[in-house]
Amino acid sequence: DVKVTQSSRYLVKRTGEKVFLECVQDMDHENMFWYRQDPGLGLRLIYFSYDVKMKEKGDIPEGYSVSREKKERFSLILESASTNQTSMYLCASSLRGGFYGYTFGSGTRLTVV
Amino acid sequence: EDKVVQSPLSLVVHEGDTVTLNCSYEVTNFRSLLWYKQEKKAPTFLFMLTSSGIEKKSGRLSSILDKKELFSILNITATQTGDSAIYLCAVVEGGSEKLVFGKGTKLTVNP
Repeated sequence: DVKVTQSSRYLVKRTGEKVFLECVQDMDHENMFWYRQDPGLGLRLIYFSYDVKMKEKGDIPEGYSVSREKKERFSLILESASTNQTSMYLCASSLRGGFYGYTFGSGTRLTVV
Repeated sequence: EDKVVQSPLSLVVHEGDTVTLNCSYEVTNFRSLLWYKQEKKAPTFLFMLTSSGIEKKSGRLSSILDKKELFSILNITATQTGDSAIYLCAVVEGGSEKLVFGKGTKLTVNP
């Protein structure tokens, strides 16, 4: 069963900590994406990558960075977690062109205290 | 300005009711429109629409696209409590690798 796997379902971190969210896909997809989802705001794109070692800023990249060293893995890094980064984080992947849409991971609910 | 607008943002109905969710879009070089259902976790794929006037159907759910008027609707008949979810609409633009999402419609079906 093809899938996108996020390493944690729930995570609680302290303000100022460096946080790593991991995403792995087994579909050989070229594109990978990180979104955050908040009530009333919908899905907001943080970063995406269309190839290994390539990355593009999305709509809200501030406070985040990413890493894609291998095609199947896309990591989101919160350099210094803050309470306003408490959110649901969704990883997704797609084929080049995105025509058939995304396959999503199950999400990581991050709470920063 | 939002390119994909969903309405209503929130809807509460009783079991057995029929609901219609709306999605209008304004993108250049339209390629496809997708509907997703999101319960507690990952959004799951429902439909992909590329051609006007052709209804896609899956059980009690159906969807249709109007490329002239730039909108799509998602219908759910005989709703059940298990239909409670956020329904997301997204559009694929040619030349972009990213989907453009609406904010979603939160549907609550009460017994």
